[in-house]
Amino acid sequence: AAGVIQSPRHLIKEKRETATLKCYPIPRHDTVYWYQQGPGQDPQFLISFYEKMQSDKGSIPDRFSAQQFSDYHSELNMSSLELGDSALYFCASSVGGATFGSGTRLTVV
Amino acid sequence: AQKVTQAQTEISVVEKEDVTLDCVYETRDTTYYLFWYKQPPSGELVFLIRRNSFDEQNEISGRYSWNFQKSTSSFNFTITASQVVDSAVYFCALSEERNRDDKIIFGKGTRLHILP
Repeated sequence: AAGVIQSPRHLIKEKRETATLKCYPIPRHDTVYWYQQGPGQDPQFLISFYEKMQSDKGSIPDRFSAQQFSDYHSELNMSSLELGDSALYFCASSVGGATFGSGTRLTVV
Repeated sequence: AQKVTQAQTEISVVEKEDVTLDCVYETRDTTYYLFWYKQPPSGELVFLIRRNSFDEQNEISGRYSWNFQKSTSSFNFTITASQVVDSAVYFCALSEERNRDDKIIFGKGTRLHILP
């Protein structure tokens, strides 16, 4: 069965650069969630989209933005990267229960 | 507000022992879902189980079993005859069914070490 696809798997960026993470949800799943997991932490909810509209927002910095496109894939854009943005970023898609992608490991140097 | 508490930060057991990971949750909703995820050192979140609030039946899947008790707001996870490959961080999580806002809230996780 198709799963949630995230790209890239690994990303290294320098401080103040911009990063774009992509998420392709399971077909026919209409809701996408983004989570950030710092080292040794639990995943923290950032933002979600339902039918291409933002449905909920968590502790997402103003430097981050996201959107869901007409084909339901979603992108998380992160600007002015800081060292503290180094983390695992997960995307999940849901119809009554969340299935997570394999994550993107972002390292800011 | 929803909250998940995993009081055990780290557990170490010897291979073949049974181990139980505790999870206590808080929610005001009557309809909610409880989850367990495994996160091995490679980092992915592996889905183990989802249980809705109306189904209190305990579940067994191979060496894994789950005990859901609404009376104590607990959803504990037991691994029987543990194996080294069970070493990972285990997260208990909760989502409330409220409109379309069913984001998952995680506990802090329990790091499980299975010693050979």
